[in-house]
Amino acid sequence: DIQMTQSPSSLSASLGDRVTITCRASQAIDTYLNWYQQKPGKAPTLLIYDASSLQSGVPSRFSGRGSGTDFTLTVSSLQPEDFATYYCQQGHSAPLTFGPGTRVDLK
Amino acid sequence: EVQLVQSGGGLVQPGGSLRLSCVGSGFTFSGHNMNWVRRTPGRGLEWISYISGGSSTIYYADSVKGRFTISRDNAKNSLYLQMNSLRGEDTAVYYCARGRSGRNYCPDSWGQGTLVTVSS
Repeated sequence: DIQMTQSPSSLSASLGDRVTITCRASQAIDTYLNWYQQKPGKAPTLLIYDASSLQSGVPSRFSGRGSGTDFTLTVSSLQPEDFATYYCQQGHSAPLTFGPGTRVDLK
Repeated sequence: EVQLVQSGGGLVQPGGSLRLSCVGSGFTFSGHNMNWVRRTPGRGLEWISYISGGSSTIYYADSVKGRFTISRDNAKNSLYLQMNSLRGEDTAVYYCARGRSGRNYCPDSWGQGTLVTVSS
């Protein structure tokens, strides 16, 4: 199975900050990497697929990069609605696996 | 608009059974693979099962293999998860999720979630 790790596990940031979350796969997954946002009591929502493609309706302040084993999600200017938990997920092969999540809260 | 509406769930005793359902609308249901994913406070998001559009390919996580069964009825735009021999560690919010078209196994639209509590 492909293991996914994320760093940091949590971070505190201010409105307008630039935030970057890192995700690493235990083996190369090409660009089959997806990012999700989840808020308390809500279902996850897809932000980025194929490592860098923005899902329809997602603000352009979200961006993704990477290939192989190392990936990043960046929020260019943090907005109030962006305080949430973010997960990466590898879509290379079953079993699909998620990272442990990165919680972003208000400093 | 893509919608996935879930039903089922609730409180069940250890060793018991439960069936979750998920009805899709706003898209060609048979043209998409489907997934079940669960969230627990301790383990975050955990993928548990996948079924292709025509049901020819099915995968399970090791944690549920032999106990859970995924199925679908494309005539009813419905996805199911039959859960047997339930354990305390199966307590979670369960989500159905549509798979995005393409090579990437990417759940792109999610149901609202349903809570399953396994406790005596």
